[in-house]
Amino acid sequence: EVQLVQSGAEVKKPGESLKISCKGSGYNFMSYWIGWVRQMPGRGLEWIGIIYADDSDTRYSPSFEGQVTISVDKFISTAYLQWSSLKASDTAMYYCARHGGSYFSYWGQGTMVTVSA
Amino acid sequence: NFMLTQPHSVSGSPGETVTISCTGSSGNYVQWYHQRPGSAPTTVIYEDNQRPSGVPDRFSGSIDSSSNSVSLIISGLKTEDEGDYYCQSSDSSNHFVFGTGTKVTVL
Repeated sequence: EVQLVQSGAEVKKPGESLKISCKGSGYNFMSYWIGWVRQMPGRGLEWIGIIYADDSDTRYSPSFEGQVTISVDKFISTAYLQWSSLKASDTAMYYCARHGGSYFSYWGQGTMVTVSA
Repeated sequence: NFMLTQPHSVSGSPGETVTISCTGSSGNYVQWYHQRPGSAPTTVIYEDNQRPSGVPDRFSGSIDSSSNSVSLIISGLKTEDEGDYYCQSSDSSNHFVFGTGTKVTVL
């Protein structure tokens, strides 16, 4: 069974750093792209970026380029999304999703990130 | 980057048919995702009009090339169809865009 399991909810202060994770199982992790999606409270889905698990080829949405870093450790089948300095506006639910062929076919359960002083 | 625009909301009674439009397509394949409150999205249509295994044939996708828009059609509306629906597409550089989202209400 294909699964993407994300790390737990985080509560951080502005200016702090954070790295959340997404661990894949039940499939050949290296053969797929993993994307990250933001959903701010009460708002729609926003594509952040995507990484190819085998060679770390990464694409970012222009809206998120320079604001976050996407990385992967293919040896432990885990993708990451990280911030070096969080802002209150980063408060959101973050989803990872496997992109297979043409669409995001499997999604993680989401990681809620709350940034508050 | 391109944008995908959807109606804010649509509604229908059980058994009726509702259509959700998505305007601004790049010409690449369009997918549709359904999200219930508190849950991750799930795919109902991919590659414009293909249904993943397990998605009922009440869900279908259509394309109108002349107006650069696609649509999700839900026939035989059920209460379980309530939630938010998002279209999604990509450009040639593997950059992805989600539509603005449509809230479906079953009256």
